[in-house]
Amino acid sequence: EPEVTQTPSHQVTQMGQEVILRCVPISNHLYFYWYRQILGQKVEFLVSFYNNEISEKSEIFDDQFSVERPDGSNFTLKIRSTKLEDSAMYFCASGRYQETQYFGPGTRLLVL
Amino acid sequence: QQQVKQSPQSLIVQKGGISIINCAYENTAFDYFPWYQQFPGKGPALLIAIRPDVSEKKEGRFTISFNKSAKQFSLHIMDSQPGDSATYFCAASTSAGGTSYGKLTFGQGTILTVHP
Repeated sequence: EPEVTQTPSHQVTQMGQEVILRCVPISNHLYFYWYRQILGQKVEFLVSFYNNEISEKSEIFDDQFSVERPDGSNFTLKIRSTKLEDSAMYFCASGRYQETQYFGPGTRLLVL
Repeated sequence: QQQVKQSPQSLIVQKGGISIINCAYENTAFDYFPWYQQFPGKGPALLIAIRPDVSEKKEGRFTISFNKSAKQFSLHIMDSQPGDSATYFCAASTSAGGTSYGKLTFGQGTILTVHP
C-alpha cells in the first residue's frame, strides 16, 4: 500500500538556521498539505498546495515559511530562520481528492 | 467559528467496553468530518469519515454518529481492545466549491487507554 514518506525523521537545529523538511506524497495524489503538531497539542494546518501553487495558508505560515514541489514528486517545507517556537512535529499529507488526506510519519524538529 | 471542540481529553475503558468521543463544531460550512487515530511517534491515520447527509456510518467496530442540527458528531468504538489505545482526533473540512482546499481543522485530541 502506498505511503507518504518524510525525511528526516528528526532534525535538530540552532535558532536562526534554515531547515528543509522533505516529503514524498503518494504518487497519483493531487493535493498536498503541511501540518504541525506542537508536543501535546492538536494538529494545526499550515498550508495546502494544488496545481503547483499555494491554495491556502494559515496565519502560522508567515514569510519565514515556503513550500515547493521541485521535481514533481518531492514536496518540501522550508523554514528560513527558525525560532524556538517552531519546535514541533511537522506532518506532510497528500490526497487524490481534497478530503481524504493521508499523513506521513512526521519530522520532529527541535530548535535550540 | 473555525474551532472543533473535542471531549473528553482522556478516556480509560476496560477491554470489551464502548469508547465514546464527542466533537462539536460551529462552522456550518463544514461538510466532511473524519476521525484520525494516532499512535505515539506516528502520523495521524484516517480511521473513518462521514458527510452530513447521513446520521451514522459504521466500519467494523467503529461508528460515527452525526447530529447536524446540534452540530455534533461522535466516534463509538465497540468492543474496545488494548490495541485501540491511541490518541483520537476528530476533524472537519469544507469540500470543493468553496475557498478551502481541504484544510482540516482538528479537535484537541482524546487519549484513549483500554485496559486488558
